[in-house]
Amino acid sequence: DTEVTQTPKHLVMGMTNKKSLKCEQHMGHRAMYWYKQKAKKPPELMFVYSYEKLSINESVPSRFSPECPNSSLLNLHLHALQPEDSALYLCASSQLSVKGAEAFFGQGTRLTVV
Amino acid sequence: GDSVTQMEGPVTLSEEAFLTINCTYTATGYPSLFWYVQYPGEGLQLLLKATKADDKGSNKGFEATYRKETTSFHLEKGSVQVSDSAVYFCALSDRGGSEKLVFGKGTKLTVNP
Repeated sequence: DTEVTQTPKHLVMGMTNKKSLKCEQHMGHRAMYWYKQKAKKPPELMFVYSYEKLSINESVPSRFSPECPNSSLLNLHLHALQPEDSALYLCASSQLSVKGAEAFFGQGTRLTVV
Repeated sequence: GDSVTQMEGPVTLSEEAFLTINCTYTATGYPSLFWYVQYPGEGLQLLLKATKADDKGSNKGFEATYRKETTSFHLEKGSVQVSDSAVYFCALSDRGGSEKLVFGKGTKLTVNP
């Protein structure tokens, strides 16, 4: 199984809503990532979890709150988002290796904030 | 810091044409290098990789060779198909243990029949 599964695929939320994005992998990877991708741009790293602990937070606003309940699951809790937060949110996972992180990506959640 | 520069395109080719997408990198160590492909409306898929100098990554007719002397990892395919239309991202990962992938800006490829 080389899949990273993200749910939901599409999400429309109001600026006062609270929602969560979910990500799951069963490859035994010990690093998991959240990326944000705007149209016609490369993915931008938001958070990295290594061994279920937050290791990188790229100065992301607190309205985005990550959670890693176990080694297979990664959540991104959303609250009080702004329309400019509309984007494709990608989850990825990788082995932790001195050879560098080859990441496997999910299909993404297309988020629209209205 | 580490960075990746790739030709931004867009690139438009006819079917069966030869493809080259240039990618150069700047890194303090000896990174691993990757090409990812993103089809419309989808996530990123790893296309190929190389972890050390002179390694050649290949997949689905695409190739790229890790050239340390020119700090390059150019993507090539001898005969493109309409189904290769996508955005291609060059990326690197620091071998020093960082979990971060550094991406180039992406190159949109359109292949016409």
